[in-house]
Order: sequence, then C-alpha cells, then structure tokens
Amino acid sequence: DAKTTQPTSMDCAEGRAANLPCNHSTISGNEYVYWYRQIHSQGPQYIIHGLKNNETNEMASLIITEDRKSSTLILPHATLRDTAVYYCIVRVHGSGNTGKLIFGQGTTLQVKP
Amino acid sequence: EPEVTQTPSHQVTQMGQEVILRCVPISNHLYFYWYRQILGQKVEFLVSFYNNEISEKSEIFDDQFSVERPDGSNFTLKIRSTKLEDSAMYFCASSGLAGGTRDYHSYNEQFFGPGTRLTVL
Repeated sequence: DAKTTQPTSMDCAEGRAANLPCNHSTISGNEYVYWYRQIHSQGPQYIIHGLKNNETNEMASLIITEDRKSSTLILPHATLRDTAVYYCIVRVHGSGNTGKLIFGQGTTLQVKP
Repeated sequence: EPEVTQTPSHQVTQMGQEVILRCVPISNHLYFYWYRQILGQKVEFLVSFYNNEISEKSEIFDDQFSVERPDGSNFTLKIRSTKLEDSAMYFCASSGLAGGTRDYHSYNEQFFGPGTRLTVL
C-alpha cells in the first residue's frame, strides 16, 4: 500500500471549515483513499473514502486531485467534538485484499472555541 | 445503531499469564480484525479473520497470539504468555455485510470497538 504524508497537527476555529491535507504521491491505480479518525483513544471511526471523484457524506467531503497524488478532507463546520487524530490511508481494493488498514501517525486536529 | 463491543474494558495481568480479549462484532459482518495501539503510538494491524480462518497476520502476531470465533457471535484474541511489551489498547473491528463477493466485503468500512486496555505488570 502506498505511503501517506500528513501534517502532524492543525488548529481550527469552531464553526469554520477544517481542511486536512494528505499526500500520497506513490498511489497506484487500484488504491483508494480512506479517512478515519480517532477521538481520544477510542476506536478509530470511518469517515469517507474515494478513488478519483470527489465524495461527500454527512460527515465530510473528500477532494482528490486530478493526478490523485494528494487529497483534502473537509469538515465543513468543525465543532469541538471533531477534535481528534485524523488518518489518511491508501488501500487496495481487489482480489485477495484482506482489508487491513495501515495507520500512520495522522494529523491531530484541535478545534478551538 | 449496531456496534462492536469489547470486554473487558481494562485487563490487568501478570507477565507470563494468559489473557483472552473478547469482542462481539456487528451481526452479519463477515470480516473480523484485531489491531493494537501502544500508548502514544500508532494503531497497528495484528490479524484479519474470514470464513473461520486467518486471512492475514502481521509480524507482531507471533505464536503467542491466537484468534478464535468459538460461536456465531464472539471473536477472541488470546495471548498465551503475556510480556510487558504487550501492554496496549487492543481494538476489534468488523466489516462486510452478508451477500456480495469477498472483495466487496473486504473493502467495506470497518467498524471498531471501544478497545480493551491491557496492562501487563
């Protein structure tokens, strides 16, 4: 699975959009970009995933660049409860994939009042 | 909303003792996983389990570790002889609803339990 690079930490004001970047310059054609988050030592929580098109769900939006070498997770109106470590994970789909997730260090997002 | 549950929430044991960590995955899920997180470090994959057998295991998952799905609901992780360095949070996860192909299930989102904190003294 391709390696990802994320900033160690970011701050965001409550109510503002939080934009979390991720670089995955070695991503290959059958690799998807996944985002999970972990709130204070709780179990990781799935947020969103995509291949090449932008995706949106009730939690967030995922913007993937045309060359797929980077992506941005957008939390449109961050709240204090969004304070967490956010993980960008690149993952293969396809035959024989057991579905394991390889976590990096992630970005610690601190939402401030 | 269905959720993965884990027991106990905290387990304290003496070095060399056996521990069994228990998980109840989401009903109708087909893929099961164990991960661990040593304090202050990243979440690490241990093992995946499908169709009553191990699909993949990491280097961490040595002969001291085993997994089992003894009945239709529980999924357990056993550490045969605990070491100090086994102290960590252990997370169980499950994914994949019944129906569809194996590949479809394998990349469904994983639902994680709240974890068991294992302390080895």
